[in-house]
Amino acid sequence: DTAVSQTPKYLVTQMGNDKSIKCEQNLGHDTMYWYKQDSKKFLKIMFSYNNKELIINETVPNRFSPKSPDKAHLNLHINSLELGDSAVYFCASSPLGGETEAFFGQGTRLTVV
Amino acid sequence: AQTVTQSQPEMSVQEAETVTLSCTYDTSENNYYLFWYKQPPSRQMILVIRQEAYKQQNATENRFSVNFQKAAKSFSLKISDSQLGDTAMYFCAFSWGKLQFGAGTQVVVTP
Repeated sequence: DTAVSQTPKYLVTQMGNDKSIKCEQNLGHDTMYWYKQDSKKFLKIMFSYNNKELIINETVPNRFSPKSPDKAHLNLHINSLELGDSAVYFCASSPLGGETEAFFGQGTRLTVV
Repeated sequence: AQTVTQSQPEMSVQEAETVTLSCTYDTSENNYYLFWYKQPPSRQMILVIRQEAYKQQNATENRFSVNFQKAAKSFSLKISDSQLGDTAMYFCAFSWGKLQFGAGTQVVVTP
């Protein structure tokens, strides 16, 4: 069983569209994250949720809106997609915020054309 | 704010040889966690090794070991007996409340 799963793995869309990426973890962890990996492989945290509550929002444009319906799910919705949004987006989870390692999903490669 | 610096963009090593990746970080905190993650071409992020700052003993996982120098804020990774499967991007990460990554070092293992 996959511990942290994201869907879809690949997403190609046109500028201006709205898209969502889903993430689910079956590890029973309290904390979930979204990271963005740019073309230079740099990983930057976007959001962190603890038990469905937003605890970190790293100056991400308002077009990005995370939603956590329960502590096992953290979805990412992106409005009005721009070329610069093209990247790999990783979902991750950890049992305690920052005190243990994070477990990552396989990533979603988003390409905006 | 905490920062993580990896000064080696790329390292090449022959099979069976040893390579050491450097990582420095900046923090005013005393208790924190440090990690090395590996990202092979499959892009999956895989934990290699972890170190708690309150532990003086350096962590070891099979062929992977760290040299943790808390006063110097240094956390290097040594890969011994390198294998072709070790070819990957290696990220150093610091955690105190949130997990922050360095820019990564691409390791290429050659036959």
